[in-house]
Amino acid sequence: DAGITQSPRHKVTETGTPVTLRCHQTENHRYMYWYRQDPGHGLRLIHYSYGVKDTDKGEVSDGYSVSRSKTEDFLLTLESATSSQTSVYFCAISESGLAGANTGELFFGEGSRLTVL
Amino acid sequence: GQSLEQPSEVTAVEGAIVQINCTYQTSGFYGLSWYQQHDGGAPTFLSYNALDGLEETGRFSSFLSRSDSYGYLLLQELQMKDSASYFCAASGSGAGSYQLTFGKGTKLSVIP
Repeated sequence: DAGITQSPRHKVTETGTPVTLRCHQTENHRYMYWYRQDPGHGLRLIHYSYGVKDTDKGEVSDGYSVSRSKTEDFLLTLESATSSQTSVYFCAISESGLAGANTGELFFGEGSRLTVL
Repeated sequence: GQSLEQPSEVTAVEGAIVQINCTYQTSGFYGLSWYQQHDGGAPTFLSYNALDGLEETGRFSSFLSRSDSYGYLLLQELQMKDSASYFCAASGSGAGSYQLTFGKGTKLSVIP
């Protein structure tokens, strides 16, 4: 199994509070991604990173920011959580860019369940 | 951007064969992947097609037709443990080169 750890695994918070989710990998993979999963929507990309300090927006980036200061860590921050951000958040990694030497394969962490009251 | 359509639910009998279809509308399509996710678990990679045709991996096969913007996942000799959600996902080239876009998933129920 790919070495991906997400923390916290579960969190309950209140509207308006800041939240940071952490993704840590031990695979030295260049690419890291944050997805959210909601019933009826599947997995939707929030932000991704293609190297240290190199990040870009995904499909549903509003209300989220990310940082990657080290290869192994990718942080997702909700500056002011809202109830619409209640979701399961998955971090994923890949060795190659998805259109390069491409296998279409992502390795996912176990997910972080966030509830915003 | 990319959008993918797949059935929301499928039910099949243990030991049988089931096919889960996926159609896509994309700009800069590069390849189609399939993922399995059990309830409460993380998605796990099953297969990938960049070229037309069939890819076989044990009991699972995946097919792609680029001209029809269509693919499917074929599960043979179904087992109860195959009950899960299955997602097709499209990877894009060019501006979408780092993005894998997922369909909404097909919930497969295997019954005795």
